[in-house]
Amino acid sequence: EVQLQQSGPELVKPGASVKISCKASGYTFTDYNMHWVKQSHGKSLEWIGYIYPYNGGTGYNQKFKSKATLTVDNSSSTAYMELRSLTSEDSAVYYCASGTWFAYWGQGTLVTVSA
Amino acid sequence: SIVMTQTPKFLLVSAGDRVTITCKASQSVSNDVAWYQQKPGQSPKLLIYYASNRYTGVPDRFTGSGYGTDFTFTISTVQAEDLAVYFCQQDYSSPPTFGGGTKLEIK
Repeated sequence: EVQLQQSGPELVKPGASVKISCKASGYTFTDYNMHWVKQSHGKSLEWIGYIYPYNGGTGYNQKFKSKATLTVDNSSSTAYMELRSLTSEDSAVYYCASGTWFAYWGQGTLVTVSA
Repeated sequence: SIVMTQTPKFLLVSAGDRVTITCKASQSVSNDVAWYQQKPGQSPKLLIYYASNRYTGVPDRFTGSGYGTDFTFTISTVQAEDLAVYFCQQDYSSPPTFGGGTKLEIK
C-alpha cells in the first residue's frame, strides 16, 4: 500500500523558515515525481513544484520559486520542502503528492505563521 | 498559466439526484484533465484522469467527459457519502492548475 506520511503541524514566526517532510512507502521512491501543493484555508489548490527523486531534478511554479526549495533523501525515501521568509499569506495546509496524476497524497501539514 | 473555471461553486442536492459539474479551461488542454474529491478533513482523492478514465476502485456512478476547453463531471445517483468538495485539474501545461472547487452538500 502506498503511503505518504507528512510531518506534524508547525507554528512559526513571521520572517522565519520551516522545513516539512514527506516519507514515502509502498512503492519505489525514485520512480515518480514528488509534488507539493498548497491549500489555503477554505480555498482551492495551488501547485508549488515537483522534484524527481531519481536525479534530483526540480520544477517550480514561478509564483513559489523564491519561496520554496524542494529536496530529497533517497536513503530514507523522504522528500522535503523548505519555505522561507514566511508571512501570514503562507499559512496553509501543504500536501505532498505522487504517482501518475497525483494519485497518492500525504495527509497534509498545517503551517501557521503567527507572532 | 491556464485558468480552470469551475461551476457551480456550491450544490445542495438530495440523495439519488444526478449532479453535473463543469470546468472550462482558458485554452485547449486536450484531454489532460483530472477530477478529485476532497471530503471534510481529508486529502484530495483522484477520481477521474484523462478526462474520462475512472481511477482504480472508483464507483461507476462517477463519470467524466470532455475535450479541449470544456469538461464535465457527473455523479449519476448521489449518495450521502459523496459530501465533499470536487476539483478539476489540468496537466496539459506547467504549472498544473486546479479549478476553484465545487462544494456538494446533501439535504
